[in-house]
Amino acid sequence: DAKTTQPTSMDCAEGRAANLPCNHSTISGNEYVYWYRQIHSQGPQYIIHGLKNNETNEMASLIITEDRKSSTLILPHATLRDTAVYYCIVKGGYQKVTFGTGTKLQVIP
Amino acid sequence: DVKVTQSSRYLVKRTGEKVFLECVQDMDHENMFWYRQDPGLGLRLIYFSYDVKMKEKGDIPEGYSVSREKKERFSLILESASTNQTSMYLCASRTGTSETGELFFGEGSRLTVL
Repeated sequence: DAKTTQPTSMDCAEGRAANLPCNHSTISGNEYVYWYRQIHSQGPQYIIHGLKNNETNEMASLIITEDRKSSTLILPHATLRDTAVYYCIVKGGYQKVTFGTGTKLQVIP
Repeated sequence: DVKVTQSSRYLVKRTGEKVFLECVQDMDHENMFWYRQDPGLGLRLIYFSYDVKMKEKGDIPEGYSVSREKKERFSLILESASTNQTSMYLCASRTGTSETGELFFGEGSRLTVL
């Protein structure tokens, strides 16, 4: 699995967009970018994934750079309930899923 | 709703005891995983299973074993618990029929070894 690098922590004002970056400079051509989040005392929850095109769902948007070496998860209107640890993962095929330490996002009222 | 259920939310055991952590999923998933989570270390993969009776070591298998006798159940076993195995343990499952299948996690089992 390719390694990812994320900031340890970030703050975001409630109602503003939260932009969470992830570097994955060693990503391979068949590896997808996944994002999960973990709210305190719960198991991680899947958010979104993509290969090379930008993706959007009801929770978030995923922007992947053209060279695929980095990506950004966007929560368009952050709420207090979005306070969590966000994990960026790259994985191809049926590889095992390895998590890093993620970014702790604090949404501030 | 899809569900991954871990048998115990909180356990307290003594050093040297044998500990079983059970995980059951109701989604007919082929793949199942056990992770442990410790402050500052994120989630680390202990063991995973691609299908019934199949298992593979993850990144930190030492001191653990697993059992997958039925498709829906994946058990993590600590043969002789030690204090450094005090941790949050998370089970997850995923379909094996899609390369991009998402992981579904249980709520976690917090184990304290005294």
